[in-house]
Amino acid sequence: GQNIDQPTEMTATEGAIVQINCTYQTSGFNGLFWYQQHAGEAPTFLSYNVLDGLEEKGRFSSFLSRSKGYSYLLLKELQMKDSASYLCAVMDSNYQLIWGAGTKLIIKP
Amino acid sequence: GAVVSQHPSRVICKSGTSVKIECRSLDFQATTMFWYRQFPKKSLMLMATSNEGSKATYEQGVEKDKFLINHASLTLSTLTVTSAHPEDSSFYICSARDLGQGDYGYTFGSGTRLTVV
Repeated sequence: GQNIDQPTEMTATEGAIVQINCTYQTSGFNGLFWYQQHAGEAPTFLSYNVLDGLEEKGRFSSFLSRSKGYSYLLLKELQMKDSASYLCAVMDSNYQLIWGAGTKLIIKP
Repeated sequence: GAVVSQHPSRVICKSGTSVKIECRSLDFQATTMFWYRQFPKKSLMLMATSNEGSKATYEQGVEKDKFLINHASLTLSTLTVTSAHPEDSSFYICSARDLGQGDYGYTFGSGTRLTVV
């Protein structure tokens, strides 16, 4: 079956760095997405990785290792507004998005 | 960037009635629209994939007679929850793919919070 695993909840301090991990097992791979979702709102796109390595975009970076079925989202200089759920999703061989359950990130002052 | 407009954002309806949710792609043509449901603290669950001008493809376990999907134009898809029951209360989100953005192009509507009383 297809499976996306990420931690349920993480807590970090304002100004610090946090890494959210995602492991996946899917039928085929056409890229991995990270989305941010605030409570009661729709997800917003953060990053897309299809090749191995690190993609940096401002305070957010995303890493992919296809051989390990592993990705992480790195958030630097955390701000209170970063408190949200972070969803990992993999596009499978049929170009369907398979979603993880999301990681709720709590930022403390 | 690509925008998907979803209405209504919130709706409360009585058990047994029907509710229509609309999603419009505002600045691109959405040949495919995805409809998701999300329960509290749970991940997005794909309900169906609608293609302009043809029948929607429903995921296993989703009743196509209960969740009617119409994708009559390249910019509009609708989801109608028929004979709604309290267990249908959920957050419904549509998503469309802007092919002009390649594989990046999954844009979400703002979601509809449905409460059936």
